[in-house]
Amino acid sequence: KAGVTQTPRYLIKTRGQQVTLSCSPISGHRSVSWYQQTPGQGLQFLFEYFSETQRNKGNFPGRFSGRQFSNSRSEMNVSTLELGDSALYLCASSLLGEMDSPLHFGNGTRLTVT
Amino acid sequence: GESVGLHLPTLSVQEGDNSIINCAYSNSASDYFIWYKQESGKGPQFIIDIRSNMDKRQGQRVTVLLNKTVKHLSLQIAATQPGDSAVYFCAENTGGFKTIFGAGTRLFVKA
Repeated sequence: KAGVTQTPRYLIKTRGQQVTLSCSPISGHRSVSWYQQTPGQGLQFLFEYFSETQRNKGNFPGRFSGRQFSNSRSEMNVSTLELGDSALYLCASSLLGEMDSPLHFGNGTRLTVT
Repeated sequence: GESVGLHLPTLSVQEGDNSIINCAYSNSASDYFIWYKQESGKGPQFIIDIRSNMDKRQGQRVTVLLNKTVKHLSLQIAATQPGDSAVYFCAENTGGFKTIFGAGTRLFVKA
């Protein structure tokens, strides 16, 4: 079974631009979560989606948004990019997103904002 | 933020020795705990999990211990190998469809 796939792998953007990142979950997994990873703040929860509905959201500004499609694939968007948005963005899927279901991560998208 | 990692703790062990990585979790209401391993250039990988109604769980070369009284979680790796070198994260699921990660511990295995 294929793992979680994230595209693109690397991205370089300029301040003020916007970016869209894509995630394909493991087949059959309906819950998709997004995390931001930086050396200073570690892994920070962005949001979680299930059946196209956002069920939880982390403490990030409204510039960060996401969505999930009917095939469980997900995208996240960051608008008006800032230098501090440079990070590794990780997507993770799980079967139902229930409490006792571990996350399965992709290898992330490395975003650099210049 | 909920996951603070300004300085990553480091553990250095000799190949063949046992490793113990410790973690203090934050929410006494958390019911599910997970350990992940992250190698350079990759996403975190699930190692082992434990529910709050257990205090010990064993996998292949790994054991997780849970002490709810002091909100402490540990990961024991037996006969540590060079391939075990990575950053290890503990995580807790607090319900609400969110998993919160600890700061991480970097494990170096000396050959």
